[in-house]
Amino acid sequence: GQQLNQSPQSMFIQEGEDVSMNCTSSSIFNTWLWYKQEPGEGPVLLIALYKAGELTSNGRLTAQFGITRKDSFLNISASIPSDVGIYFCAGQLIGGTSYGKLTFGQGTILTVHP
Amino acid sequence: DTGVSQDPRHKITKRGQNVTFRCDPISEHNRLYWYRQTLGQGPEFLTYFNYEAQQDKSGLPNDRFSAERPEGSISTLTIQRTEQRDSAMYRCASSLRARDYSNQPQHFGDGTRLSIL
Repeated sequence: GQQLNQSPQSMFIQEGEDVSMNCTSSSIFNTWLWYKQEPGEGPVLLIALYKAGELTSNGRLTAQFGITRKDSFLNISASIPSDVGIYFCAGQLIGGTSYGKLTFGQGTILTVHP
Repeated sequence: DTGVSQDPRHKITKRGQNVTFRCDPISEHNRLYWYRQTLGQGPEFLTYFNYEAQQDKSGLPNDRFSAERPEGSISTLTIQRTEQRDSAMYRCASSLRARDYSNQPQHFGDGTRLSIL
């Protein structure tokens, strides 16, 4: 099935560093979401973006909805050990006959060294 | 706990057996989705319900897979004559389409891990 192109695939950083990851698609979406998944658990929503160009923050996390509607990025500032996990982007098309199934990226595995 | 609940957490079965997974969505969430996730990949869409109506099953791999949501709440996903390639994490998600037609984000359960021997 279709998946979004998410990069990088993995990141190994030191505590306190900033992190940036992005997601691109060949299709337009009108909603972008970022989820975090930890071992043994389901994806947990971090940020939802609903308008092209929108920049939204949630604590140390900042995400933007690309102007073309085909991309999004997520930044994490001043990383801490509990940021470890797999981060997924997801695109969603809502409206008309579309009910909003999610198309996911492959995930970015984040490791934070203390 | 008011989140999406799935059971069992882990199912181990022999090839050829039938399996059924259960999903209890967040109360009052009218939309329910099933996804399948394999190692190193994001979840992939299987099927979608709006209340009790299955409105999209385009992601189901073949006719061995079926899903129900007869009363518009709890849903089950059944795989008949399981094969080794069916081994994966099966995740359920639910969301609310509000009266103002705004779409709330999907919330995921912890999944059922299927292992085929």
